[in-house]
Amino acid sequence: QKEVEQDPGPLSVPEGAIVSLNCTYSNSAFQYFMWYRQYSRKGPELLMYTYSSGNKEDGRFTAQVDKSSKYISLFIRDSQPSDSATYLCAMMQGAQKLVFGQGTRLTINP
Amino acid sequence: KAGVTQTPRYLIKTRGQQVTLSCSPISGHRSVSWYQQTPGQGLQFLFEYFSETQRNKGNFPGRFSGRQFSNSRSEMNVSTLELGDSALYLCASSLTVGVDEQFFGPGTRLTVL
Repeated sequence: QKEVEQDPGPLSVPEGAIVSLNCTYSNSAFQYFMWYRQYSRKGPELLMYTYSSGNKEDGRFTAQVDKSSKYISLFIRDSQPSDSATYLCAMMQGAQKLVFGQGTRLTINP
Repeated sequence: KAGVTQTPRYLIKTRGQQVTLSCSPISGHRSVSWYQQTPGQGLQFLFEYFSETQRNKGNFPGRFSGRQFSNSRSEMNVSTLELGDSALYLCASSLTVGVDEQFFGPGTRLTVL
């Protein structure tokens, strides 16, 4: 079993929809939780970063962490075609290596 | 400010050969990490270097090695290439180690025939 599980999709939604992306993990020592966005032929870029449990909002994006359930989510409101990309969750324990999920390929249809 | 650069962008090799990939971090960044990305396994950590010292290593065979130079530039080497080594190799740099934000380069696409 992988340390971080993420449904690879693909996920296709109409423009304007609310998108929900999720990851589960098994290592309860993870403290730092990130979401990266990766466009085709590009490297991942950091989208959201949270420490421990709770919510964080940045514009149309909201990241949620539920450490008791070992579950993290990324919500995208008013989705745009430019949001079409692969979204990767990543986690870190202390100053250790980043552990990534498989990535979910998202397409927003105009 | 220039981003992370990786060379070459694309590479085709045959089984048994060896390959060296290069990464130039963002100016001022001293930590460089390498990742392998494949459709089946996703993004997997290879190793991390800081001040020319390897700090962390992932679960890859000894055929995968790396180094960092005094100017923070880094190289990774894969010897005795196997078909399964075909992947996108990503380099990421950060100011320091730990939870500092990592900035990724565009990657080197390696195809092993």
